[in-house]
Amino acid sequence: QVQLVQSGAEVKEPGASVKLSCKTSGYPFTSYMTHWVRQAPGQGLEWMGIINPINGDTVYAPRFQGRVTLTRDTSTSTVYMELSSLRSEDTALYYCARESAFRFDFWGQGALVAVS
Amino acid sequence: QTVVTQEPSVTVSPGGTVTLTCASNSGPVTSGHYPNWFQQKPGQAPRALIYSTNNKHSWTPARFSGSLLGGKAALTLSDVQPEDEAEYYCLLYFGAYVFGTGTRVTVL
Repeated sequence: QVQLVQSGAEVKEPGASVKLSCKTSGYPFTSYMTHWVRQAPGQGLEWMGIINPINGDTVYAPRFQGRVTLTRDTSTSTVYMELSSLRSEDTALYYCARESAFRFDFWGQGALVAVS
Repeated sequence: QTVVTQEPSVTVSPGGTVTLTCASNSGPVTSGHYPNWFQQKPGQAPRALIYSTNNKHSWTPARFSGSLLGGKAALTLSDVQPEDEAEYYCLLYFGAYVFGTGTRVTVL
């Protein structure tokens, strides 16, 4: 079955970086894009970026440009999201999600990042 | 900066019908924005409901339908059930993606 399993919660100090993972299984890794979405406490969903698993090409939301880096490891079918220069406003649940041909379907369980 | 706006909240009676909309400040929403709709309940990850305006996933209940309405993307919930109480988000494509502000649906 399709699964996107994310790494665990992280606590970071302001100014630090965090790197989260999203390990996929149950489908051909290179057939689907992976997106990252975050949700601050009590707030809405915010799209962060997308990575093409075939060539590693990325597109980032303007507000995260320069601070977020998406990478992938095709040997382990895992996508990584690194966010730098953390501030308190980055405290949120971070999700990965699968997409193909503008069709979003499966999501990871989410990973909490607390900046304090 | 592109902003995608949804109704903050709606209340609907069980068995009733409600339509949620999704508007862009950059112009009419079209099929080329490939609207997706998601449902999120407290403490859960979002669940995909609709993709590319009006296509349902295999798990999407038949009472949910997507469309374009008056320059907006729309999600209609028919014969609303108590378990439909949730937050609903649209997602539009502009070369990058932007989520809507979300609509809280209360079933009362």
